[in-house]
Amino acid sequence: QVQLQESGPGLVKPSGTLSLTCAVSGGSITNNKWWMWVRQSPGKGLEWIGEIFHSGSTNYNPSLKSRVTISVDKSKNQFSLNLSSVTAADTAVYYCARDSEAGYSLDYWGQGTLVTVSS
Amino acid sequence: EIVLTQSPGTLSLSPGERATLSCRASQSVTSSYLAWYQQKPGQAPRLLIYGASSRATGIPDRFSGSGSGTDFTLTISRLEPEDFAVYYCQQYGRSPPMYTFGQGTKLEIK
Repeated sequence: QVQLQESGPGLVKPSGTLSLTCAVSGGSITNNKWWMWVRQSPGKGLEWIGEIFHSGSTNYNPSLKSRVTISVDKSKNQFSLNLSSVTAADTAVYYCARDSEAGYSLDYWGQGTLVTVSS
Repeated sequence: EIVLTQSPGTLSLSPGERATLSCRASQSVTSSYLAWYQQKPGQAPRLLIYGASSRATGIPDRFSGSGSGTDFTLTISRLEPEDFAVYYCQQYGRSPPMYTFGQGTKLEIK
């Protein structure tokens, strides 16, 4: 059973960079799947941030593309999210997730981590 | 970018009743790229349906998905107390490659 666990600071200052890591257990990050980040602002819906393949190929949400970098560390079986120039609008629960066996849906999710942007 | 609009925003029903949730796309969606999720407070979303009509592993058969083109439906045949939650539809688009979600339907106990 694949498990994902997010980690990182829960508080980031405005104009700073939000950095999160997702540790993958129960399976290899090189298993021909896309790994992604999704966020949910308080009381709001879900927003896809971007995805990465173990080769390093990435796709990003066009609305966030200028500020987002997703990277993978195969040696540690984990992938990471960096979001720069954050504002209060970036306050959200951030989830990491995996592309499903059938593709085009997300079957495994982390439990989510709340990141607050505030001075 | 394809926009997904879910209706109703809130659905009030009683256990044992049938629930019908709608997801309408701003342009045609490949059925293979349409999924449904359930989210309970404080939890991550759970995949219910993928490919518009295939149940994910471990999902009870009271959940079913249907539809094609721009109109998709999630049906819960007989509501159980644990089914009251928020439901999201999601689609994958290729140009550019990205996922988008509907705004959600809250299914509440009447």
